[in-house]
Amino acid sequence: GAVVSQHPSWVICKSGTSVKIECRSLDFQATTMFWYRQFPKQSLMLMATSNEGSKATYEQGVEKDKFLINHASLTLSTLTVTSAHPEDSSFYICRVLAQGGSPLHFGNGTRLTVT
Amino acid sequence: DAKTTQPNSMESNEEEPVHLPCNHSTISGTDYIHWYRQLPSQGPEYVIHGLTSNVNNRMASLAIAEDRKSSTLILHRATLRDAAVYYCILSYNTDKLIFGTGTRLQVFP
Repeated sequence: GAVVSQHPSWVICKSGTSVKIECRSLDFQATTMFWYRQFPKQSLMLMATSNEGSKATYEQGVEKDKFLINHASLTLSTLTVTSAHPEDSSFYICRVLAQGGSPLHFGNGTRLTVT
Repeated sequence: DAKTTQPNSMESNEEEPVHLPCNHSTISGTDYIHWYRQLPSQGPEYVIHGLTSNVNNRMASLAIAEDRKSSTLILHRATLRDAAVYYCILSYNTDKLIFGTGTRLQVFP
């Protein structure tokens, strides 16, 4: 069964509004989760690393005030795209950190369309 | 940092074997080699992973070169449902991932 649950699978919002995406670890407690962004015909690009109980670590070029990450519990991390604009339209995927040597655990992704 | 290189696309006919290559000449000794595939608007789906030895599962086989600088994902009998983008990914402790650019596999009936 699924190890990671990501919700919603798709969302359409108007420009200027904020959108929250949830990533849940179903099988184990996850102190670390990751958020990726994927543009058409490109590979996944790491946006930030979400750490339970502390601030997220953002990759270079990712605006932390625009992409708010909250990891308030060991099973839930949220990504909020604030004041969304059409250029934020993309496919967002979360991943839960697992033990070394085990398979990687990705969410099913969220298709965000900003109109 | 390690880097992975994959062909942009490959084609196969149904029922034929497919060999998807990945070059990772700068792999470190502790990097695992993962293969995932992705359909449009879906998250990556696990295919197989390994460290040094060849691996087999119900979906595919993973052949890892002796020097670990390359690997090959083998689909023994391609089906239409195998059409996807296949990513070769290196991981160290599953923390930091190095993604390949992906190979788009087309399967023809």
